Amino acid sequence: QQQVKQSPQSLIVQKGGIPIINCAYENTAFDYFPWYQQFPGKGPALLIAIRPDVSEKKEGRFTISFNKSAKQFSLHIMDSQPGDSATYFCAASTQGGSEKLVFGKGTKLTVNP
Amino acid sequence: NAGVMQNPRHLVRRRGQEARLRCSPMKGHSHVYWYRQLPEEGLKFMVYLQKENIIDESGMPKERFSAEFPKEGPSILRIQQVVRGDSAAYFCASSPKKGTEAFFGQGTRLTVV
Repeated sequence: QQQVKQSPQSLIVQKGGIPIINCAYENTAFDYFPWYQQFPGKGPALLIAIRPDVSEKKEGRFTISFNKSAKQFSLHIMDSQPGDSATYFCAASTQGGSEKLVFGKGTKLTVNP
Repeated sequence: NAGVMQNPRHLVRRRGQEARLRCSPMKGHSHVYWYRQLPEEGLKFMVYLQKENIIDESGMPKERFSAEFPKEGPSILRIQQVVRGDSAAYFCASSPKKGTEAFFGQGTRLTVV
């Protein structure tokens, strides 16, 4: 049973484009929603995280939009660059932090020059 | 401040052997989490430990897998009598306390031949 569904599986955009990655969840007890970036052969690195009391959060070129009623959240990358090419994972937890994270299956993003 | 250190980075074991994976958390971090990542999949939670205590091992297979985080030294994930299906990347993460962000190590890639 997959508790966090992530789409699309892969995504190709041109430099400067705005890739959008979506995640949906069922468990209404989730209260912490981070996004991780992973390069090949490396560990996941925290990009940005949101809690259900806000609908949007921006950090640099990365924005999370959160829709509590629809149980969905998404990552937008503004002015994408070839260096953003990586796999992105959404995740969720019920404990307010990073304990026992439930991850989506990942989105492989390619940003062409 | 060094990040989460995992070793070895790559480990090859024959079927039936034991695998020991080590994780040194970031300085000041007393909470450790282990995750497993299969190819083309997201990370799956295995176990959450604090110093000398297992807090949540609901993601650990019932047999052959064990984890510890002693008072002194790194956290150890131990897999006895490895099988081909154990081949995966194993990631460790640490956080300073409950309800905070976790930082991931580079992972140990286990190959069972």
